[in-house]
Parts: sequence; C-alpha cells; structure tokens
Amino acid sequence: AQRVTQPEKLLSVFKGAPVELKCNYSYSGSPELFWYVQYSRQRLQLLLRHISRESIKGFTADLNKGETSFHLKKPFAQEEDSAMYYCALSVGNSGYALNFGKGTSLLVTP
Amino acid sequence: NAGVTQTPKFQVLKTGQSMTLQCAQDMNHNSMYWYRQDPGMGLRLIYYSASEGTTDKGEVPNGYNVSRLNKREFSLRLESAAPSQTSVYFCASSVGGRSYEQYFGPGTRLTVT
Repeated sequence: AQRVTQPEKLLSVFKGAPVELKCNYSYSGSPELFWYVQYSRQRLQLLLRHISRESIKGFTADLNKGETSFHLKKPFAQEEDSAMYYCALSVGNSGYALNFGKGTSLLVTP
Repeated sequence: NAGVTQTPKFQVLKTGQSMTLQCAQDMNHNSMYWYRQDPGMGLRLIYYSASEGTTDKGEVPNGYNVSRLNKREFSLRLESAAPSQTSVYFCASSVGGRSYEQYFGPGTRLTVT
C-alpha cells in the first residue's frame, strides 16, 4: 500500500537557520512526489514537485529512492516560511488523487 | 480566473440534517476531487471524478455522495450528517495525470453538533 510519512508534527527554527522537513514514502512503483504548502488563511498550493527539479522560494527537495525519502530543505529560513507543509504522493489509481502525509507545521521565529 | 470555488465557507448542522457542498472550477480541468482535513490526519480523499460523467470512492467515502454535474461542477452531499463528519472539506481539480498540479479551493468548515 502507498503511504506518506511526515515524522514531525511541528518544527521550530530561528530565522536564518537551515530547515529540513522530512518525508518518507512507501510505494512499489515509480513515485511522483510533491510538496504542498498552506500559509495562514490561504488555500493549499503547490510548492514544488520532484519531476521539475526546481527551487521555489529557496526550497529544494531531492528524491532518494534508496531511502524512499523526499525531504524539503532550505538553507536559510525566513519568517514568511511559517506555514503547514504537506508531502504528497500521486499514484495511478484513484484518478491520480494525492496521498498526503499528516503535515508538518513550520514555525520560523525571529 | 476564479480557479476553484467552494460554497459555503462555513456551515453548522445538527446531527441527521443533510446538505450539499458545492465546488466549481473554471480551468477546464478533467479531474476533480473532494478531500477532508482533520487535525493530525492530513488530507484524506473522499471521492474523485477522473473525468466528466465518472465518479469513484476514495479512502473515506462512507456517509457521502457526489455528483459530477458537468465538467465544471462537482458537489458533495451529506445525507444524514454525523458529528464524525465535522471537518474542513477541500475540493481540488487537475488536468489529470500523475505529474500534474492539483488546484485547491478555499475549503468549507463544517461543524456537526
């Protein structure tokens, strides 16, 4: 069965510190992985997807198939990064619906 | 473009009452989804519609029904609301396919007393 695990419910870092939000997945096929973000009072939105290999707002995420991980990283956290972050896996069944982790709340303090 | 819109934004129901949550998208997307978000649980799929005219159950379909009225609209109905259905409900849409972004609505916060 496919599953996404985000082990940290809450992550608190100081402004300017590096941040890493962990995501592990279980899926027997080739995974399509995403990070979605929900800022306060805003709707859920895509942050980045592994297939694009892009950096958005200074965030990057690398797919490690050996460790079945897709951790989200940023070298220098900013206060505006405070939000709820969800790792998600897209699979072929369920009309390519997303299988979400439980989310990590990131708090960046000055 | 409005993207994905949902109505209502908030709703309070008594146990046993029924209601329909409305969702519409103006991006000509093929696929639409209903998720519920509960504290500590992330988002879980209730129902989805891979294309106009088709609907299928997701992970947590019990107590819900859906209608894909046309390509734009996908409604979620609670026939007899229960306190366990207290949640935030999100509608999403996508072009369809594994690599494509899903676009989310603002959510409906439902409380069942």
